[in-house]
Formats: sequence, structure tokens, C-alpha cells
Amino acid sequence: RKEVEQDPGPFNVPEGATVAFNCTYSNSASQSFFWYRQDCRKEPKLLMSVYSSGNEDGRFTAQLNRASQYISLLIRDSKLSDSATYLCVVNMYRNRDDKIIFGKGTRLHILP
Amino acid sequence: EPEVTQTPSHQVTQMGQEVILRCVPISNHLYFYWYRQILGQKVEFLVSFYNNEISEKSEIFDDQFSVERPDGSNFTLKIRSTKLEDSAMYFCASSVDKYGYTFGSGTRLTVV
Repeated sequence: RKEVEQDPGPFNVPEGATVAFNCTYSNSASQSFFWYRQDCRKEPKLLMSVYSSGNEDGRFTAQLNRASQYISLLIRDSKLSDSATYLCVVNMYRNRDDKIIFGKGTRLHILP
Repeated sequence: EPEVTQTPSHQVTQMGQEVILRCVPISNHLYFYWYRQILGQKVEFLVSFYNNEISEKSEIFDDQFSVERPDGSNFTLKIRSTKLEDSAMYFCASSVDKYGYTFGSGTRLTVV
């Protein structure tokens, strides 16, 4: 099993729709989780951290399921500007040190 | 909003030459990272740096790579003898507490 796995997509979704994607991780000892978005040829930008209790930021909801080892991102009322690649990032603390693993990303295209 | 600054934005170098990529992390951040992204591929972790020493490095970060924080503000990545396969976008990132990372806009390294 890959350390961090995402469906590469693309997800083609009409504007205004709700879209969700998951990310699975292999190491049950993983400690912190993030969603980043990356626009074409740009740097990754933090979208949101993912907390155990789940968290929401406007139209975005992130959830963590430790038992099944996945995190999810839900985007409601999608906008054209949401078109990007969404990167799942898992920080697997190993002893005291970081091991930060990126998923390959899920491409999202919002269609007008 | 504080930024991570990387220079140059694009560097072209001949195979076998040494390159130094420069980064100025956010001033109150304590954890520093280098990542790379080969065109069309996922973001790969290279190295993390804390308290003036490397805390974690990946298999990619071999003897040809080194990092330095020479003066308390800059954080550099040196590649001693570049290979064609080192061509990639190199991202610097910093973090205040390992929860969420701010990325620079990257240096595109082209080895010819």
C-alpha cells in the first residue's frame, strides 16, 4: 500500500455542485493531516488542516477517519476558482522527526 | 501576509555544475524544508531542518545535496554536481510548529 494515496481524477464537476474526495494513508501512527491546493505550475498552498473532530472552513469540510485511515475533503457550492489539484499531506512522525508525505493530488475541474 | 521567498525563480545550469538555491523563510518560523516536484509528478520531500541541523531526509537527498542556514535568515539547498534528473521545481517551506507549512513560489531548475 502506498504511503499516501489519492484518486488522480480528474473530477469534472459543474459549478455549484458538491464534490468530495478521499485520501488514504498507510501508517496508522501518522499524526497530522492537511489538504493543500496547487494551481498549475505554482506552489502548494495550505487549504486546511484536518482535525480528529473534523473541521469546516466556509464551503470546505475536512474529516479524518483514523480507524479506516483516510481523510476527506468536501467542497460545497463549487466555484470555477476551485479548479486546481488538491494535495493530501500526511506528517508521519517517526521517532521525533518529521516525515512529510504528499499524495499525487486529485485534479478538479469545475465546469461553467 | 508573511511569505517564504525563493531565489532565483528559474535557474539553468550545465550538467555537473554546482547550484545553490536560496530561500528566506518566514522570520519566526523554526522548521524548514526543501521539496521538489518533477514536472507532472508529485511533490517529494527532500529534507527537514530544525535547530541548525537536519532532522529528517529522504532517499533522494544523497551526498550530492546539502543544506545550510548560514546567517539566521537564509536557508540554502546546494546540489554539488547536477544531473539531468535533478531538473525540477524546488520548493522551500517553513513552519512555526510543524502544523501546516508555508511554501515559497519555487525555483525551477533546468539542467542541460
